[in-house]
Amino acid sequence: GIQVEQSPPDLILQEGANSTLRCNFSDSVNNLQWFHQNPWGQLINLFYIPSGTKQNGRLSATTVATERYSLLYISSSQTTDSGVYFCAVGVMGSNFGNEKLTFGTGTRLTIIP
Amino acid sequence: ETGVTQTPRHLVMGMTNKKSLKCEQHLGHNAMYWYKQSAKKPLELMFVYSLEERVENNSVPSRFSPECPNSSHLFLHLHTLQPEDSALYLCASSQRDINEKLFFGSGTQLSVL
Repeated sequence: GIQVEQSPPDLILQEGANSTLRCNFSDSVNNLQWFHQNPWGQLINLFYIPSGTKQNGRLSATTVATERYSLLYISSSQTTDSGVYFCAVGVMGSNFGNEKLTFGTGTRLTIIP
Repeated sequence: ETGVTQTPRHLVMGMTNKKSLKCEQHLGHNAMYWYKQSAKKPLELMFVYSLEERVENNSVPSRFSPECPNSSHLFLHLHTLQPEDSALYLCASSQRDINEKLFFGSGTQLSVL
């Protein structure tokens, strides 16, 4: 099956700093989503981005499908950004949409006041 | 409020108990999912229901039994669980076109003694 690798595994930053999280995947995908899991376990969908660039406030994401990676940018970090960030991918050619999503192991982000 | 509600938030049960997890979505979606999140492991898809029909069952032991009475409600019935089944159980929903955003509930933290 498809392999999904996220880096770095852990990241500690001062409040106000910028960060870049990376998701590499081993096959062509037609579905890629970024999630934030807060310290209470809630998973929030940040982006659906199988290709291209999207922005939402201080967050933006870029997926370069031909090179099999996606980046999540967080600018002017706040303590509420702390948590684990997951990417999940679905393989090209699948008719099953979300049923075949494979999740990475996540990047744990800690923002220090 | 994410639109997907799970109860209970925490559950402690013995290996001989029978309990049920409940999920309700208020987003008008037509697909619902159960995921398992164990420490140090990626999210694992357990079951998928689309239009109240099960479309995916990822080799989950029979001690986990899902039920989807309608497109808004999903249950996971638990019986004779093992301590290794202790994990965070997450419900999600989406609109089942090919490739749509997945929305998660807050999860049930399950401990099996």
